[in-house]
Amino acid sequence: DQQVKQNSPSLSVQEGRISILNCDYTNSMFDYFLWYKKYPAEGPTFLISISSIKDKNEDGRFTVFLNKSAKHLSLHIVPSQPGDSAVYFCAASEHGNNRLAFGKGNQVVVIP
Amino acid sequence: SQTIHQWPATLVQPVGSPLSLECTVEGTSNPNLYWYRQAAGRGLQLLFYSVGIGQISSEVPQNLSASRPQDRQFILSSKKLLLSDSGFYLCAWSGDSMMLFFGSGTQLSVL
Repeated sequence: DQQVKQNSPSLSVQEGRISILNCDYTNSMFDYFLWYKKYPAEGPTFLISISSIKDKNEDGRFTVFLNKSAKHLSLHIVPSQPGDSAVYFCAASEHGNNRLAFGKGNQVVVIP
Repeated sequence: SQTIHQWPATLVQPVGSPLSLECTVEGTSNPNLYWYRQAAGRGLQLLFYSVGIGQISSEVPQNLSASRPQDRQFILSSKKLLLSDSGFYLCAWSGDSMMLFFGSGTQLSVL
């Protein structure tokens, strides 16, 4: 049972434009959300996170929005750069649980 | 600073052969340790996690096992590999927060 869902598995965007990645979750107990970035043949690296007490967190070109009522979060990358081309994973956890639930990932291709 | 080492980077094994992947963490004590697998076209699936020496939790029934003989060492094993065991295996650690730090991964091809 997939508790974290990432639809639209791939996204192509022109350099300089905005990339928007969406993530839905089913477990209402999730209270911490993370985005990871993964290049081929490498381990994922942490990108940005958000706690359920917030609805927005910004770090440079990356912003994550959380809509708890809709059980939905999104990652915005502005402006997109060719180096952003990677697979992005959405992940979630609930307090007291040592495990992260991951989505299937979104492939982003930024066209120069 | 903390670092995580995982090896080998790539591995090609025949069906029925054994497997041993090793992961070590440096610069931290009593980390939570994890083994994930990314199969072709799939997301990251948690296989095992450990909160301490000798403590292993399995997330899915499978042909694999894990062991934690030392505080910062995590081993993934199989006695007999199956074709379906092919995939990209990732070791990870976490501390008090739920932020995971991943190793560089092992691409396993079972032929």
